[in-house]
Amino acid sequence: GAVVSQHPSRVICKSGTSVKIECRSLDFQATTMFWYRQFPKQSLMLMATSNEGSKATYEQGVEKDKFLINHASLTLSTLTVTSAHPEDSSFYICSAGLAGGTGELFFGEGSRLTVL
Amino acid sequence: GEDVEQSLFLSVREGDSSVINCTYTDSSSTYLYWYKQEPGAGLQLLTYIFSNMDMKQDQRLTVLLNKKDKHLSLRIADTQTGDSAIYFCAESMMDSSYKLIFGSGTRLLVRP
Repeated sequence: GAVVSQHPSRVICKSGTSVKIECRSLDFQATTMFWYRQFPKQSLMLMATSNEGSKATYEQGVEKDKFLINHASLTLSTLTVTSAHPEDSSFYICSAGLAGGTGELFFGEGSRLTVL
Repeated sequence: GEDVEQSLFLSVREGDSSVINCTYTDSSSTYLYWYKQEPGAGLQLLTYIFSNMDMKQDQRLTVLLNKKDKHLSLRIADTQTGDSAIYFCAESMMDSSYKLIFGSGTRLLVRP
């Protein structure tokens, strides 16, 4: 099946710094990628839909200035957590779907962010 | 609105069958999915079913869909300890390509 890769898998940063997480579709092109956030022992919450070549669509309650999303190419979307705070510590997961496919999404391995 | 609900926990003995249930509210769902998440890992797609089907079988997995009751279930036959994980059901909307709404997840514990 199609592979989606995230990097880094784990990151620890100091409060106030910015962190960038990359999501790559390795063997297919993805015009749309999705970013999810998962708190411990909870479900995934959709943060935003990342569209190649245009602005991301954010879900209600998600701060677009805090979570910057860039989808510069058909194989890469990035999520930047700006001025991170401890409450931003979470597991961030991206996903991408095959254009014209069954609607099946392929998920990255996730990136665990810890803000000290 | 969109809402997907699951029971939080299920414990079974190794070799028994496991049945994980899910209910959803949006009748316009196109596809319904089951994902598996092991500790600290991303999600692995187990299987999916199109909304005009009522059953799909894939090796040890059987998905049943009752569209009238908006009820989805995942049956795992001959459950193994390696099946211990969190299982999420999810629905995708006909009007939003690929946008998934996830349930809260069911933690499956398989006892030896």
